[in-house]
Amino acid sequence: GENVEQHPSTLSVQEGDSAVIKCTYSDSASNYFPWYKQELGKRPQLIIDIRSNVGEKKDQRIAVTLNKTAKHFSLHITETQPEDSAVYFCAARRSGGYQKVTFGIGTKLQVIP
Amino acid sequence: EADIYQTPRYLVIGTGKKITLECSQTMGHDKMYWYQQDPGMELHLIHYSYGVNSTEKGDLSSESTVSRIRTEHFPLTLESARPSHTSQYLCASSEMFLDRGIPYEQYFGPGTRLTVT
Repeated sequence: GENVEQHPSTLSVQEGDSAVIKCTYSDSASNYFPWYKQELGKRPQLIIDIRSNVGEKKDQRIAVTLNKTAKHFSLHITETQPEDSAVYFCAARRSGGYQKVTFGIGTKLQVIP
Repeated sequence: EADIYQTPRYLVIGTGKKITLECSQTMGHDKMYWYQQDPGMELHLIHYSYGVNSTEKGDLSSESTVSRIRTEHFPLTLESARPSHTSQYLCASSEMFLDRGIPYEQYFGPGTRLTVT
């Protein structure tokens, strides 16, 4: 089955700096890679996703890059703000209805004002 | 408004009691999931379902059971609660197929925080 590794497990950055979270996956057939943000005491919510036919996707201060050959993908947050502080989860799955999503272990991001 | 609901939000119960955590979604999704998560920690998949009368065990062994009699309803039951079951339980739902050109993301419920004393 799929295995998703995520690092770092914790990350502290100064407000305004950039943050990068990296994930690797094992199943070369995986073709959908979402990122979820979970604020303290709240439910995880999708912030950005990328499909395997695209190498990069941006949404304002958030971007995700995908390297299919190396089987890794990364989340980039620029100009970090205190409200970016949360736990971030990467995930991977194949297409096909009967496939599961596999999550990484999560990265706790702290943005220091 | 389409959403996914969980009740109760908080539950404190004694050892040995039977409990059912409720999860309902009005998203029209076929796939539903249960995750166990300690605060700020990894999401552990304990059960999932592809549709009515379909249930599968997840990656983390769990003493709980689930049922899927209606598309919108996916309750989780613990026959005899133990302190080791203390955790947060998150229900989620999603579309079945990735390539319909519609969002595939998993929508999570607000969670049930269970404490077994």
